Amino acid sequence: AQRVTQPEKLLSVFKGAPVELKCNYSYSGSPELFWYVQYSRQRLQLLLRHISRESIKGFTADLNKGETSFHLKKPFAQEEDSAMYYCALMDNQGGKLIFGQGTELSVKP
Amino acid sequence: DTEVTQTPKHLVMGMTNKKSLKCEQHMGHRAMYWYKQKAKKPPELMFVYSYEKLSINESVPSRFSPECPNSSLLNLHLHALQPEDSALYLCASSQTIPTYEQYFGPGTRLTVT
Repeated sequence: AQRVTQPEKLLSVFKGAPVELKCNYSYSGSPELFWYVQYSRQRLQLLLRHISRESIKGFTADLNKGETSFHLKKPFAQEEDSAMYYCALMDNQGGKLIFGQGTELSVKP
Repeated sequence: DTEVTQTPKHLVMGMTNKKSLKCEQHMGHRAMYWYKQKAKKPPELMFVYSYEKLSINESVPSRFSPECPNSSLLNLHLHALQPEDSALYLCASSQTIPTYEQYFGPGTRLTVT
């Protein structure tokens, strides 16, 4: 079964601290994985995708096939990073995004 | 124009009303999606259109009826909804299927009374 698990509903850190949002997936084959972010009262938007290996707003994510993980990391959290973060997997038919339950990140001053 | 737009922003309807949600994109995308999102929950896929044809229906109740009149426009017709259908309805588009990125609209906040 294709599944995405984000074990933390809420993650609270102080400004300047490192942050890691966990994502594990279940998929047979080569997964297409994404991180989407939803800031308060804003639309859901793509943060990054594993195939591009970009760093967006200081965030990076590495696909670890051995551990079936795609954790999102940032070395120094900023208050404006406070948002809901969703890890997502493209299904094997390519038309459906399978979302994790989301992690709410709160960065305190 | 690189945005997906949705109207109305807010909608309150009674259980016997008929209303429609509208979604528009002018990015030349040929795939469009409807999602339902409850507070602090992930979006749940409802329908997918590819080249104006319905390609995925996630077993959505018939009181929700999608329509794709052309490649830029997607409607969701609502009839005889239940209070539990109150949610944020998101539209998204992508170049094609399969896709590497879906672009989301701001959503319509629907309240069923």
